[in-house]
Amino acid sequence: GDSVTQMEGPVTLSEEAFLTINCTYTATGYPSLFWYVQYPGEGLQLLLKATKADDKGSNKGFEATYRKETTSFHLEKGSVQVSDSAVYFCALYSSASKIIFGSGTRLSIRP
Amino acid sequence: EAGVTQFPSHSVIEKGQTVTLRCDPISGHDNLYWYRRVMGKEIKFLLHFVKESKQDESGMPNNRFLAERTGGTYSTLKVQPAELEDSGVYFCASSPFYRGLYNEQFFGPGTRLTVL
Repeated sequence: GDSVTQMEGPVTLSEEAFLTINCTYTATGYPSLFWYVQYPGEGLQLLLKATKADDKGSNKGFEATYRKETTSFHLEKGSVQVSDSAVYFCALYSSASKIIFGSGTRLSIRP
Repeated sequence: EAGVTQFPSHSVIEKGQTVTLRCDPISGHDNLYWYRRVMGKEIKFLLHFVKESKQDESGMPNNRFLAERTGGTYSTLKVQPAELEDSGVYFCASSPFYRGLYNEQFFGPGTRLTVL
């Protein structure tokens, strides 16, 4: 069945550092891919998405490119801020109308 | 426009008790989903309603869980009797009528359930 694997956390970085959170997926066909974020005390929010191969999703300085060849959707940001501290989930939209999530990566940014 | 709301935000109960979680979707959204995250693991799908009908309940863990959506508006998820392994965060999501390959789901803040 469909699945998502993302790097385990926690990840701790200093402010202005470069961020990469790896994500790979297994799916039949070409699913839509997402990154969701959960800030402390809040619900899940869609951070960015890509619906076909080579698409780049971007939002709030974060980017991820849909790589069909490597079945990957790595999340990157050039300069993280303290306010980016949150749990990040990589996910795909399966053909069965449900979202398949990875296990989440907790990111902490030091001032 | 109000987003997806869930009640309560946090529930602490003892093993063997009953708990009912409620989800109010975005007004007009026919699709309603329940997910849960247990023990810091991945968020897993539980079930999907289209209006008041259960479209897919393949993720429901066992018969201690009962979901309803009477009238096709809000939904409840009852756990009876609760077990320790049911502790986690239960998320609800809704989306408008399915029109194509992708239909964005909007998530609520979740209910944190702790079973002691």
